[in-house]
Order: sequence, then C-alpha cells, then structure tokens
Amino acid sequence: QVHLAESGGGVVQPGRSLRLSCAASGFSFRNYAMNWVRQAPGKGLEWVTFISFDGSNKYYADSVTDRFSISRDNSKNTLYLQMDNVRPEDMAVYYCVRESSGREAYFDFWGQGTLVTVSS
Amino acid sequence: DIQMTQSPSSLSASVGDRVTISCRASQDIDRYLNWYQQKLGKAPTLLIYAASTLRSGVPSRFSGSGSGTDFTLTISSLQPEDFATYYCQQSYRTLAFTFGGGTKVDIK
Repeated sequence: QVHLAESGGGVVQPGRSLRLSCAASGFSFRNYAMNWVRQAPGKGLEWVTFISFDGSNKYYADSVTDRFSISRDNSKNTLYLQMDNVRPEDMAVYYCVRESSGREAYFDFWGQGTLVTVSS
Repeated sequence: DIQMTQSPSSLSASVGDRVTISCRASQDIDRYLNWYQQKLGKAPTLLIYAASTLRSGVPSRFSGSGSGTDFTLTISSLQPEDFATYYCQQSYRTLAFTFGGGTKVDIK
C-alpha cells in the first residue's frame, strides 16, 4: 500500500536551515507529482510547494518563494524540502503529499507529518 | 490567487443530524474542488474530488455538489466517527493550490 514517511523535522533557529525528507513506498514514485503542505499549530492547511513527476517543474507559495526548495530523487523514491532562512511563521507540521495523476488534481495520500519548531 | 471561503467555521451537531458545509471560491473554478477530512492529531484524508466524486471506500453518507464558485459538502446522517475538521481545496489553479479555512464539526 502507499506509504509516505517524513523525517527531518525538529527545532531550528530563525534564519537557519533545515532539510525535510519523505520516503515513498508502495507505488511507482517516479510517475507521480508530489507536494508539501503545512499546518501551523491550531491553524488550517497551507499548500507550500509542488514538483512534477520528473522534477522539471516546481511551484511555490508566495510565503516560501526564494527560501524553500523542493527536489526529488526518483532512484531513491525520496522527496525533499530544503528550508533556508527559516522564519517563526514557518513553524508547522509539514506533510508530504502525493498528487493524483490526471487533470482533476487532488491529494490522494498524505504522510503522517513532521513537526518543525522555530525557536531561538 | 484564488481564495476559498468556508462556512461555518465550526458547528455543533448530534449523531444522526444532516450536516451541510459550504465552500465559496473567489472566481469560477468549474468543478475543480476537493474535500478533505482531518481528525484530531492525524493527517488529512481525501473524501471527495472533482466536486462530487466520492473516493473509493468513503461512506455514501458523504456527498458533494456545486460548480463554478459555490460548493457544498453534505453528511446525510452524522456518525460518531465524522466529528472532525473538513477542508475544501481548489485544484483549478494547480500552480497554487489553496484550501479553505476549515469547518470543525463537534458534538452538540
């Protein structure tokens, strides 16, 4: 079955960097676009970034453009999120999310999430 | 960006009640609207996509309707396991998916 397992969360100081990983299994990872979605404590869901199946297209929310970078290694079935110049407002649970194939895009599988805490 | 507005932000209901949650888009999104359920401390799960298509395995008491700018999620008879927060999401502009603010359904 589809399984997405995030790792790499933890405490990070403002202005520092952190890299999240997401190990995918149970499906052909190289055939699917992937996303990161985050949720600040007690708040709603916020889409963060998208990467196409082959990594050729990447899109970012305005709130993270120029600070976050999404990438993937299809040989390792792994998705990454490089977070640079982290801000207090980046504190959230970060979910790795598989996007359905086809025009009717939807997020059909989610990881359990990894918590990023921003604190000095 | 397309803004998604859900109402109400919270509601209290009893087991067996019919529950309706609304979601409005700031522009026409055709039927590119998805619904998710999130239980406390858990990741969201997909309920409905393309406005009205029930994901396989989701109980038939859940239904979605609407097109253009106005959409509705209906739970025909609320069950104990349905107490959760529900989010709509537009996928019309896939360069920038946006979610509604969420509707928390709790026990009256």
